[in-house]
Amino acid sequence: EAGVVQSPRYKIIEKKQPVAFWCNPISGHNTLYWYLQNLGQGPELLIRYENEEAVDDSQLPKDRFSAERLKGVDSTLKIQPAELGDSAVYLCASSSGGRFGGELFFGEGSRLTVL
Amino acid sequence: AQSVTQLDSHVSVSEGTPVLLRCNYSSSYSPSLFWYVQHPNKGLQLLLKYTSAATLVKGINGFEAEFKKSETSFHLTKPSAHMSDAAEYFCVGSSGSARQLTFGSGTQLTVLP
Repeated sequence: EAGVVQSPRYKIIEKKQPVAFWCNPISGHNTLYWYLQNLGQGPELLIRYENEEAVDDSQLPKDRFSAERLKGVDSTLKIQPAELGDSAVYLCASSSGGRFGGELFFGEGSRLTVL
Repeated sequence: AQSVTQLDSHVSVSEGTPVLLRCNYSSSYSPSLFWYVQHPNKGLQLLLKYTSAATLVKGINGFEAEFKKSETSFHLTKPSAHMSDAAEYFCVGSSGSARQLTFGSGTQLTVLP
């Protein structure tokens, strides 16, 4: 069974340009997460979806970041315009739920470099 | 509120010697606790999890962790380190029904030949 798939793996852009990341979760997983991971730090939640509903987006910088999961399956995270400080790894994870969220399965991440 | 503290940002051990990665948690109620491992340029992989069953939890690759409520700790151990264990390790807590995870800041494990 395929794991969580993310693309692109690497992206280099100039500041003020837009960028989008795509995530396809494990089949049947209703819960999807986007995390931001800065170098040498733990992941920080950006947004969590239950099916197509964003149930926790309190940490998403809504002035430049947006996300969607229109059919409750794959998801896109967009940044427009990108800033130098957005350079990081963007991790997608999914889970089948359960009382405490169950095990999270992570993709390999999308590494963004903003020049 | 849930918080997780990893007490060491870097740990170095020699191959074949024991590994101890320390994690303390604070929570107003019993948490679920996890250890994840991240190899370079890879996603995070679950090593083991504690969900209020047995306090000694065995995971993959010979790792185990013990939940000690009196010490609010969930330290990760392995009797004998292997070169392939070199990676970043994250202690993660989850509490309540909100499915919110709190990640520690990570411990970089180096295994010396």
